[in-house]
Amino acid sequence: KAGVTQTPRYLIKTRGQQVTLSCSPISGHRSVSWYQQTPGQGLQFLFEYFSETQRNKGNFPGRFSGRQFSNSRSEMNVSTLELGDSALYLCASSLTTGRNSPLHFGNGTRLTVT
Amino acid sequence: AQTVTQSQPEMSVQEAETVTLSCTYDTSESDYYLFWYKQPPSRQMILVIRQEAYKQQNATENRFSVNFQKAAKSFSLKISDSQLGDAAMYFCAYRLSSGSARQLTFGSGTQLTVLP
Repeated sequence: KAGVTQTPRYLIKTRGQQVTLSCSPISGHRSVSWYQQTPGQGLQFLFEYFSETQRNKGNFPGRFSGRQFSNSRSEMNVSTLELGDSALYLCASSLTTGRNSPLHFGNGTRLTVT
Repeated sequence: AQTVTQSQPEMSVQEAETVTLSCTYDTSESDYYLFWYKQPPSRQMILVIRQEAYKQQNATENRFSVNFQKAAKSFSLKISDSQLGDAAMYFCAYRLSSGSARQLTFGSGTQLTVLP
């Protein structure tokens, strides 16, 4: 079975631009979560989607948004990029949102904002 | 709010030796999971071991075992017979077992170096 696939692996954007990151979960997985990893703040939860519905959201400004499609693929969008948005963005999928459903992570997208 | 603390930013161990990584957490909940994840240079977060809070028995996975002290809110990871491939950043994480707030809360990580 293929793992969680995130595209692109690397991205360079300029301040003020917007960016869209993509995540394809493991086949059959219906829950997708997003995390931001930075040297200063560590790993922080962004949002979780299940069956195309946002189930939970972290403490990030409205510039960060996401969605999930009927095939469970998910995208996250960051508008009006700031230098502080430079980070590794990790996506994780799980079969369900149930207690015995472990998260499987992708290799992340490294976003650099200049 | 739940917090997870890893007080050792860096650790090193000789190949074939044993090392213990520390983790403490703070929560008012009684039903939760604790995890250790490994992040090698490939950046992928790999689940090493998990512990359910209601289980008193410490989890083990081959060379990896935990020492779970619920009352002390401590969750350390022991790696036995360390191998070069164990070198990575290790993160301790907490997650509620139920409810809407099921996201992982991570510690700041411990960078493990394995010396040949």
